[in-house]
Amino acid sequence: DQQVKQNSPSLSVQEGRISILNCDYTNSMFDYFLWYKKYPAEGPTFLISISSIKDKNEDGRFTVFLNKSAKHLSLHIVPSQPGDSAVYFCAASDRDDKIIFGKGTRLHILP
Amino acid sequence: DTGVSQNPRHKITKRGQNVTFRCDPISEHNRLYWYRQTLGQGPEFLTYFQNEAQLEKSRLLSDRFSAERPKGSFSTLEIQRTEQGDSAMYLCASSAEELGYGYTFGSGTRLTVV
Repeated sequence: DQQVKQNSPSLSVQEGRISILNCDYTNSMFDYFLWYKKYPAEGPTFLISISSIKDKNEDGRFTVFLNKSAKHLSLHIVPSQPGDSAVYFCAASDRDDKIIFGKGTRLHILP
Repeated sequence: DTGVSQNPRHKITKRGQNVTFRCDPISEHNRLYWYRQTLGQGPEFLTYFQNEAQLEKSRLLSDRFSAERPKGSFSTLEIQRTEQGDSAMYLCASSAEELGYGYTFGSGTRLTVV
């Protein structure tokens, strides 16, 4: 059973436009959500997080939105840049300090 | 030392052999995690330590797998009698008490069992 779902294996976006990566979760006990970015041959890198008591968290070009009633979160990147091409993992935790990851979405930023 | 270090980066072994991986976490991080990632999947939790205590093990961690963290510093992950299905990227991560900063991952050890 997959508790964190990223249904789009890949996404292509024009440079300068907005990239929107989506994520759904099934476990209502999750109260902390994170996004990680991964380049080939490297480990995942923490990008941004959000607590369940918030519905939005912004950090520069990155914004994460959380809709608890829909058990859905999304990562917005604007404007998209070539260096944003990577695999993005959505992840969640129920505060037992174990993070559950989705399968990832590969983002391609087109010139 | 500003990151999580994993050794070796790559390991090719014959089926049935034992392998051991090492992870050196960020020095002030008291929590250490092992994950496994296979092609097309996200990282899957294997086990984690708080200091030297192993607090949780996934059902993915069969009896052939053992992890240790003596003295709460570096950690080792050993796989005995390797099988082809063990081929994966093994990721180590560490964190401080505050989860808000997420984990810091190492670059991983890629294991290929032939």
